[in-house]
Amino acid sequence: EAGVAQSPRYKIIEKRQSVAFWCNPISGHATLYWYQQILGQGPKLLIQFQNNGVVDDSQLPKDRFSAERLKGVDSTLKIQPAKLEDSAVYLCASSPSSGGYNEQFFGPGTRLTVL
Amino acid sequence: AQSVSQHNHHVILSEAASLELGCNYSYGGTVNLFWYVQYPGQHLQLLLKYFSGDPLVKGIKGFEAEFIKSKFSFNLRKPSVQWSDTAEYFCAVISGNQFYFGTGTSLTVIP
Repeated sequence: EAGVAQSPRYKIIEKRQSVAFWCNPISGHATLYWYQQILGQGPKLLIQFQNNGVVDDSQLPKDRFSAERLKGVDSTLKIQPAKLEDSAVYLCASSPSSGGYNEQFFGPGTRLTVL
Repeated sequence: AQSVSQHNHHVILSEAASLELGCNYSYGGTVNLFWYVQYPGQHLQLLLKYFSGDPLVKGIKGFEAEFIKSKFSFNLRKPSVQWSDTAEYFCAVISGNQFYFGTGTSLTVIP
């Protein structure tokens, strides 16, 4: 089966600019996650969707970050405006349903550099 | 605060040496535990998981982990490492719908 797809793979922007990342989960997976992984740290969950509804966005900096999952399939994560500290790899993952009983399948990530 | 600790940040071993990577968590309720691995240039992928039952779980490529509830630990082990095990290893804990990853351990295996 096809894996989780993400684009772009790399992005370099200047601070205060906007950026958007796209994720296409594994077909049929109801749950989609966005993580931020700063160099030297583990992935940090930003937002979790169940179909097209938000399950948890408690760690999403809502003043600059937004995410949507229209039609319960693809998802986009946006940063507006970007700060230097947003430099990280943004990972998308999906699982068949929510909760800890399901393995998460990760995409390759988008490496963001903010100058 | 809830957390996942991986005390070994960087481990260097020779081939055929035994491996044990520590993972401790600080959640008091029911947890599900995972080890993920990221090989150079590849995606994060599941190595093994524990939900319930036998506290000794076996994963892919000869890895195993033991859940010790009294110590809040879920250490990863492999009796004999290979050069191809060079990777970043992440412990993860799920409590409810909250996912927490450790900071990772970088393993380098010298041929």
